[in-house]
Amino acid sequence: GENVEQHPSTLSVQEGDSAVIKCTYSDSASNYFPWYKQELGKRPQLIIDIRSNVGEKKDQRIAVTLNKTAKHFSLHITETQPEDSAVYFCAASLQGAQKLVFGQGTRLTINP
Amino acid sequence: GAVVSQHPSWVICKSGTSVKIECRSLDFQATTMFWYRQFPKQSLMLMATSNEGSKATYEQGVEKDKFLINHASLTLSTLTVTSAHPEDSSFYICSAPSGRQPNEQFFGPGTRLTVL
Repeated sequence: GENVEQHPSTLSVQEGDSAVIKCTYSDSASNYFPWYKQELGKRPQLIIDIRSNVGEKKDQRIAVTLNKTAKHFSLHITETQPEDSAVYFCAASLQGAQKLVFGQGTRLTINP
Repeated sequence: GAVVSQHPSWVICKSGTSVKIECRSLDFQATTMFWYRQFPKQSLMLMATSNEGSKATYEQGVEKDKFLINHASLTLSTLTVTSAHPEDSSFYICSAPSGRQPNEQFFGPGTRLTVL
């Protein structure tokens, strides 16, 4: 089955700097790659997603890139703010299967 | 936007008892729902896929007789943790496909289960 690896597990950056989180997946049939932000005790919140027919997608300060050949995708957050502090999860979904396989998560801390 | 609710939001029970968690799609129909378990400081792990009108599909290693899933209507799936033990204490989250975009999921707010 699909396996998603995520790193780093923790990331600390200064406010205003950029943060990058990377994920790799194992199944080349996967075609949907969402990123979620989760605050303590809350539900995962979709922040951006990308499909396999696109190489990059951007939404204001957040961008995601996908390299299908290498089977990895990355989340980029620019001009980080204290409210960006949370745990971020990547996930992958097989075409037609709908169910998500999550990465291990990255605890992002933005230092004022 | 589409909303998924869960009830209860938290529950504390004694070891050996059973606990039922409800997952509802409030303004859309869901023939499929997913149940995840999340231990503290860990990721979400898919437990099972709930299918309306048919048996649930369980992931490898998940005991179907311990985690009973019923998807009796197009808006409700229930997860019953039977004979709960302290190691079952976790954050249980359901999700449902949005129906707007392929593979897109809406998550419920989660249920914190503590077994004493």
